[in-house]
Amino acid sequence: DAGVIQSPRHEVTEMGQEVTLRCKPISGHDYLFWYRQTMMRGLELLIYFNNNVPIDDSGMPEDRFSAKMPNASFSTLKIQPSEPRDSAVYFCASRSSGNPEAFFGQGTRLTVV
Amino acid sequence: GESVGLHLPTLSVQEGDNSIINCAYSNSASDYFIWYKQESGKGPQFIIDIRSNMDKRQGQRVTVLLNKTVKHLSLQIAATQPGDSAVYFCAEPQGGKLVFGQGTRLTINP
Repeated sequence: DAGVIQSPRHEVTEMGQEVTLRCKPISGHDYLFWYRQTMMRGLELLIYFNNNVPIDDSGMPEDRFSAKMPNASFSTLKIQPSEPRDSAVYFCASRSSGNPEAFFGQGTRLTVV
Repeated sequence: GESVGLHLPTLSVQEGDNSIINCAYSNSASDYFIWYKQESGKGPQFIIDIRSNMDKRQGQRVTVLLNKTVKHLSLQIAATQPGDSAVYFCAEPQGGKLVFGQGTRLTINP
């Protein structure tokens, strides 16, 4: 298994632009998580899905952030419009319902200038 | 005011020595814990886990100890190697999600 796959690995964009981060979870996993990691706040959970349904989005910072999971093998995290304070590493993780261990992707390093 | 970054606890050890990384939790009902290792430029990776019905669990060069009385767990790494340099997180499932501690940065002195 290739593990959790995220794209792009790096993204540099200008303030005000729309940014879309992508994630392919491990096949068979029915939970998917989006985390954000910064020096200020550490590793924060933004949102998670179970069977493609958003369960808890209380960590989404504001309406500029949205996440979708149209099917079991794909999820997106969108920021529109982006701001410099959104600069961070965004991780996607997945797990199966029978195993509490979450497997992480390599992350997307987002820089908003 | 001045912005301050998250101050990660840091542990520096000599290569070959044992490392002990600590984590405290608050919920006495917590019944499962995971230790993750995050190397520079990578996502967190599972190291070892422990359930609350255990006090100790051993893996390859790693041991996790759980003290439910004081709500504390530790990760011990034997004969620390340069490849052990990373940030180590304890994590706890809460409902369907996994909540992480702030992490400890382990650096190895040659």
